[in-house]
Amino acid sequence: EVQLVESGGGLVQPGRSLRLSCAASGFTFNDYVMHWVRQAPGKGLEWVSGISWQTDNIGYADSVKGRFTISRDNAKNSLYLQMNSLRTEDTALYYCANARDHYDSSPANWGQGTLVTVSS
Amino acid sequence: DIQMTQTPSTLSTSVGDRVTITCRASQSVSTWLAWYQQKPGKAPKVLIYKASSLESGVPSRFSGSGSGTEFTLTISSLQPDDFATYYCQQYNFFPYTFGQGTKLEIK
Repeated sequence: EVQLVESGGGLVQPGRSLRLSCAASGFTFNDYVMHWVRQAPGKGLEWVSGISWQTDNIGYADSVKGRFTISRDNAKNSLYLQMNSLRTEDTALYYCANARDHYDSSPANWGQGTLVTVSS
Repeated sequence: DIQMTQTPSTLSTSVGDRVTITCRASQSVSTWLAWYQQKPGKAPKVLIYKASSLESGVPSRFSGSGSGTEFTLTISSLQPDDFATYYCQQYNFFPYTFGQGTKLEIK
């Protein structure tokens, strides 16, 4: 069974940094594209970032480009999101998701999310 | 970036109704489109991937169609468990983008 467990969320002041982690199990982690998706309170889903299994293809939403960095450690079955220069509008529940398979990169399995609150 | 326009944003509907939600992409995404269902306090759940492929375990009353820039999600006969918010997402190019969502409400 696929399991994705996010951690690292919390309350942080504007301008500060935070690093999210996602621990993956139940599938061959280094074979799959991985994603971060967020949802601000009462708002819709926003894709944040994605990373290919070899890390040769990485993408970011315009809203986080230059501030957030996605990475992965295939030896540890872990995905990360380094978030710098945080803004109040980054307040959201952050989900980790894996791709469907090696051919279809859509987010298929989702964790339960970790809440990030940016506030002074 | 590809913009996804989803309509309607809200739909008041009844059990047994046939429901259609539309998603339009600002440029072609071929058939790299997924549909998700989300209920309050829960993570999104995949319903449809590759525009028309039904996710395992999802009831057959859900179907997806379309290619290029126009896509639809159809629920053939709405059930009480289907009142939720639905999102489309293109995954042809980074950045992947979601539609703004369609909330199904009880009429």
